[in-house]
Amino acid sequence: DGGITQSPKYLFRKEGQNVTLSCEQNLNHDAMYWYRQDPGQGLRLIYYSQIVNDFQKGDIAEGYSVSREKKESFPLTVTSAQKNPTAFYLCASRFTGLNEKLFFGSGTQLSVL
Amino acid sequence: EDKVVQSPLSLVVHEGDTVTLNCSYEVTNFRSLLWYKQEKKAPTFLFMLTSSGIEKKSGRLSSILDKKELFSILNITATQTGDSAVYLCAVEVLNSGGYQKVTFGTGTKLQVIP
Repeated sequence: DGGITQSPKYLFRKEGQNVTLSCEQNLNHDAMYWYRQDPGQGLRLIYYSQIVNDFQKGDIAEGYSVSREKKESFPLTVTSAQKNPTAFYLCASRFTGLNEKLFFGSGTQLSVL
Repeated sequence: EDKVVQSPLSLVVHEGDTVTLNCSYEVTNFRSLLWYKQEKKAPTFLFMLTSSGIEKKSGRLSSILDKKELFSILNITATQTGDSAVYLCAVEVLNSGGYQKVTFGTGTKLQVIP
């Protein structure tokens, strides 16, 4: 089945630790996006990428890093510089043509120990 | 900075009521506006609007875009408990570097009670 796979579903981070959230898609989409969702809030854009080896900062990129070494994969690292990382993280992807909708993975819940 | 604002933030209605959810935006280089429904984890797509004044309809849900006044509405008629969810509005823009950025609003939490 085609889709977007995020792993793990739940992740716990210790103080000062970097953690990496995985996002893999087999839809042959060009563009991939990472969003953060806090309780009762909408989605805030962290990073996005349209082609391999290129990515752009979103509105809340501080404390996060990404890579795009393969078209299918767009991992997000939450660094120790992100002081309030507890949130629900959603990965999305789409084709880059006109009128293309976003497809979402099922998310990763990150909590701080 | 691109801005997408949704109202109300939350809403409680009785089954059978009709609801209207609002989305206004201030962005540069608008390309499209999208509506999503989020029940648990992954948002699911409802509508994409690119042209002003043309209503999109799917069953009891409909949406329209006003590009002059920079807003969209999502209507749900004869609401059911299964309509309870967070409804998200998003705007796609083409930024100065030619990148397709998609910005979401804060969402409207709808609760439909029997």
